[in-house]
Amino acid sequence: SQQGEEDPQALSIQEGENATMNCSYKTSINNLQWYRQNSGRGLVHLILIRSNEREKHSGRLRVTLDTSKKSSSLLITASRAADTASYFCATDTGYSTLTFGKGTMLLVSP
Amino acid sequence: GAVVSQHPSWVICKSGTSVKIECRSLDFQATTMFWYRQFPKQSLMLMATSNEGSKATYEQGVEKDKFLINHASLTLSTLTVTSAHPEDSSFYICSAPPGTGGGTEAFFGQGTRLTVV
Repeated sequence: SQQGEEDPQALSIQEGENATMNCSYKTSINNLQWYRQNSGRGLVHLILIRSNEREKHSGRLRVTLDTSKKSSSLLITASRAADTASYFCATDTGYSTLTFGKGTMLLVSP
Repeated sequence: GAVVSQHPSWVICKSGTSVKIECRSLDFQATTMFWYRQFPKQSLMLMATSNEGSKATYEQGVEKDKFLINHASLTLSTLTVTSAHPEDSSFYICSAPPGTGGGTEAFFGQGTRLTVV
């Protein structure tokens, strides 16, 4: 079952701008992960944040996690055209399977 | 990180025929592999879990006889779509579970675009 809900469903920005995507979930989690999917391709892991962490950085990515609100956000700073893709959050409840959100389609225009 | 190779990347088949999709772990052994289905502009839906040495476990609503899963070895899992119909057209992706290869993330194959005509 899909427990994650990403917001917005689609986001269109210009190169250089920041992109923020949000994810909400319903159950307790061990960790939350963000993945990227280029059109017609598999998913690539971007970043993982554990349930006891509140913020994490990796390059131009910044992820926050609020377990009290059961929500997470992914910020991509100084976006590039190559960042155009769909982004999914996925929750790991400790039972091996990941539950994916519906995704945000990001379009970065040159 | 762990590498999962999925083949073919795309396939077109006629209604009524069967199609086999392979998923190989290249640099690690996988006792478990997940199979997902993804419709256009939608999220991944877990179909089934293949288990080496035992039967696959299917999610509710997934037809076992239509989507045959075999975990032939520690490096190969296959999904066969039997008697395919146009409504089976979709994007199918396999994934090694989180924790495979020592990491905490899941590793995905490249996906297979199936078109049934």
